[in-house]
Amino acid sequence: GAVVSQHPSRVICKSGTSVKIECRSLDFQATTMFWYRQFPKQSLMLMATSNEGSKATYEQGVEKDKFLINHASLTLSTLTVTSAHPEDSSFYICSASWGGDQPQHFGDGTRLSIL
Amino acid sequence: DAKTTQPNSMESNEEEPVHLPCNHSTISGTDYIHWYRQLPSQGPEYVIHGLTSNVNNRMASLAIAEDRKSSTLILHRATLRDAAVYYCILNYGGATNKLIFGTGTLLAVQP
Repeated sequence: GAVVSQHPSRVICKSGTSVKIECRSLDFQATTMFWYRQFPKQSLMLMATSNEGSKATYEQGVEKDKFLINHASLTLSTLTVTSAHPEDSSFYICSASWGGDQPQHFGDGTRLSIL
Repeated sequence: DAKTTQPNSMESNEEEPVHLPCNHSTISGTDYIHWYRQLPSQGPEYVIHGLTSNVNNRMASLAIAEDRKSSTLILHRATLRDAAVYYCILNYGGATNKLIFGTGTLLAVQP
């Protein structure tokens, strides 16, 4: 069964709305969680790395004030897309890992559509 | 940063073995080789990973070249459900476990 749960699976909202996406590790404590974005027919692009209790590390070119990441516990990380605009429409995917060289476990993704 | 090179696409017939190649000539000694696959409109799924020795699990086998500059993911009997994009990724920086996805190989399985 799924070890990482991502919610919601789909969001459609108006431009200017802020949208929060949750990522939960279900049966393990994730020391690190990751957020990715994927545009149609493209590969996944890593947005940020999130460690519990500390600030997220953003990849180059990703606006940290636009994409707010909170990792308040070992089982929950949230991504908030603030004041979303149509160009933010994308497939957002989270993953969780218990660290080191262990594999990442991915959520099913959130399809975000901004009208 | 070490990168990987994969063919853009491959085709296979159902119930036949599939060998998906990956080149990583600039791999460092501590980089693990990870394979993930992604079905349409889903998040990626972990397939297998290894460091130096060949690895087997219920999903696939991973054959790693002796010089570690290439590897091959082996699906022993392809099914229609194996049609997906397969990503070969090197695990950068062990502490952060960060994965940088390339373009992967789109595997088509014909009935």
